[in-house]
Amino acid sequence: NAGVTQTPKFQVLKTGQSMTLQCAQDMNHEYMSWYRQDPGMGLRLIHYSVGAGITDQGEVPNGYNVSRSTTEDFPLRLLSAAPSQTSVYFCASSYRPQNEQFFGPGTRLTVL
Amino acid sequence: GQQLNQSPQSMFIQEGEDVSMNCTSSSIFNTWLWYKQDPGEGPVLLIALYKAGELTSNGRLTAQFGITRKDSFLNISASIPSDVGIYFCAGLNTDKLIFGTGTRLQVFP
Repeated sequence: NAGVTQTPKFQVLKTGQSMTLQCAQDMNHEYMSWYRQDPGMGLRLIHYSVGAGITDQGEVPNGYNVSRSTTEDFPLRLLSAAPSQTSVYFCASSYRPQNEQFFGPGTRLTVL
Repeated sequence: GQQLNQSPQSMFIQEGEDVSMNCTSSSIFNTWLWYKQDPGEGPVLLIALYKAGELTSNGRLTAQFGITRKDSFLNISASIPSDVGIYFCAGLNTDKLIFGTGTRLQVFP
């Protein structure tokens, strides 16, 4: 099992560009989520999904879109990147929200 | 939105000392979780608490789910150098897992 994989590991964008952060898991987990981590702020929930076809907003959803067409994949889209979106992004998955969430290695994004 | 306040923000201790950290919230949570994050990696689950008043141990780690359901505590006994990292509490309500701001632990030999 690869666990939770994220690509890319690093990315630099210019303001206004769009891109998709990829997340995949091979553990047949129903619950997947995206967090951003900023210094001194801990991890903040962006979007989450309780199963294929179902997504919902977390604490800081503005500027991000998600979709869940399969159980395995949960991509995060930045529609028009802004410097405030410079952060480390973590994807996580679990069977259910109250079970242990397994985190991916993170994507370090810089928006210039 | 919901906020989890963790304290202390950072701790510098000597190897062998015990450590205590806590997490408080303005909201009630049904589940409390404690995670540890090593540099450059994602958080890893240490302990999960599912019932108010519950006290759970995992080796040298002990965590408690507060009676009011608005707080939780984590203790580490006899710290060792590999305990270094950032410790996060997280509270779960329905489907949303909310993380605290973290406690950065540094252990000196």
